[in-house]
Amino acid sequence: DGGITQSPKYLFRKEGQNVTLSCEQNLNHDAMYWYRQDPGQGLRLIYYSQIVNDFQKGDIAEGYSVSREKKESFPLTVTSAQKNPTAFYLCASSIGRVDEKLFFGSGTQLSVL
Amino acid sequence: GQNIDQPTEMTATEGAIVQINCTYQTSGFNGLFWYQQHAGEAPTFLSYNVLDGLEEKGRFSSFLSRSKGYSYLLLKELQMKDSASYLCAVRDQGFQKLVFGTGTRLLVSP
Repeated sequence: DGGITQSPKYLFRKEGQNVTLSCEQNLNHDAMYWYRQDPGQGLRLIYYSQIVNDFQKGDIAEGYSVSREKKESFPLTVTSAQKNPTAFYLCASSIGRVDEKLFFGSGTQLSVL
Repeated sequence: GQNIDQPTEMTATEGAIVQINCTYQTSGFNGLFWYQQHAGEAPTFLSYNVLDGLEEKGRFSSFLSRSKGYSYLLLKELQMKDSASYLCAVRDQGFQKLVFGTGTRLLVSP
């Protein structure tokens, strides 16, 4: 079955530590996205990529980094510069057209120890 | 600026009909999406509207009025499994600019 796989489901970060969230898709989609979801707030776009080896900052990119070396993979690193990293992180993909829906992964809950 | 408003929470009874409203103010408009999200899970696509009018899909319907910056999601014959958050999202300028509302948490009771 095609879909998006995020791992791990739960992740804990220590002070000053970088952590990487995995996102893999086998839908052959060109576009991939990372969103952050906080209680009482809408999903906010962190980074997106329309094609391999290219990515753009979203609305809240500070303290995060990404790479897109393969079409199927779009990992997100939460760096120590992100002072409030506790949130639910959602990865998504789409064909890349304006009218195309997003397919979401099941999310990673990141918490700070 | 960009602003999308939805009610925070709604309650309804099994078998009833509920309407979830969404109003938006964005600099551009390239379509409006509704997603359903159960707690701790991935949002799943429900509907897409780009032209004015009603789109019906089984028990769910979605309406759009671009002149009023308004949409609603109508859920009929409510079931317990419909208890979830419903997210309204507007495609602003360019395909990557999808702006989400805060979501409406719907609780369906027996």
